[in-house]
Amino acid sequence: DAGITQSPRYKITETGRQVTLMCHQTWSHSYMFWYRQDLGHGLRLIYYSAAADITDKGEVPDGYVVSRSKTENFPLTLESATRSQTSVYFCASTELAGGSYNEQFFGPGTRLTVL
Amino acid sequence: RKEVEQDPGPFNVPEGATVAFNCTYSNSASQSFFWYRQDCRKEPKLLMSVYSSGNEDGRFTAQLNRASQYISLLIRDSKLSDSATYLCAVIPGADSWGKFQFGAGTQVVVTP
Repeated sequence: DAGITQSPRYKITETGRQVTLMCHQTWSHSYMFWYRQDLGHGLRLIYYSAAADITDKGEVPDGYVVSRSKTENFPLTLESATRSQTSVYFCASTELAGGSYNEQFFGPGTRLTVL
Repeated sequence: RKEVEQDPGPFNVPEGATVAFNCTYSNSASQSFFWYRQDCRKEPKLLMSVYSSGNEDGRFTAQLNRASQYISLLIRDSKLSDSATYLCAVIPGADSWGKFQFGAGTQVVVTP
């Protein structure tokens, strides 16, 4: 399917476990982003990537790791999950066109619960 | 102070009425502006881009006021299906790598 997909859609894990959230886009967009959304905070940027093998920290990167070996994939790993990482995680992508950035397209989200 | 701020609402609007709300941004160099709609914590979906001269898409009108650093969204003839959270998004500058700054959202509830 064309677009941006995330897996799993729902995940329950325990404190201390490693969890990887997957994001895949079929548009070959250069730029990809991971957000978390919590009540009262809106969308907060965790990590972003401008191209394969180029990643950088966003607003709330602690406890997360990303990689981008292929343009279409941008996995997010929680190395040792904590209860505070219970959230809804959105992946997004965009492209630079005509010197300006287009809108970001979002995946359907992963609802993560850490017990 | 947050870089992008929105009134969280809720704005309770009778069906058929008009509702308008703003989003303020702190970075005067901000270049691109968007309104997104989000339903029940599903993914945000683009509602419309906001152009310097203002733009309209059906019942929705977006305006940009650079002098006062805010964007606005007006919804005319509100429908029950317009009930959602509206997020504004700002790209703060040319070197931002496409990173958006999002407001926390304004909730709109359209009532029969």
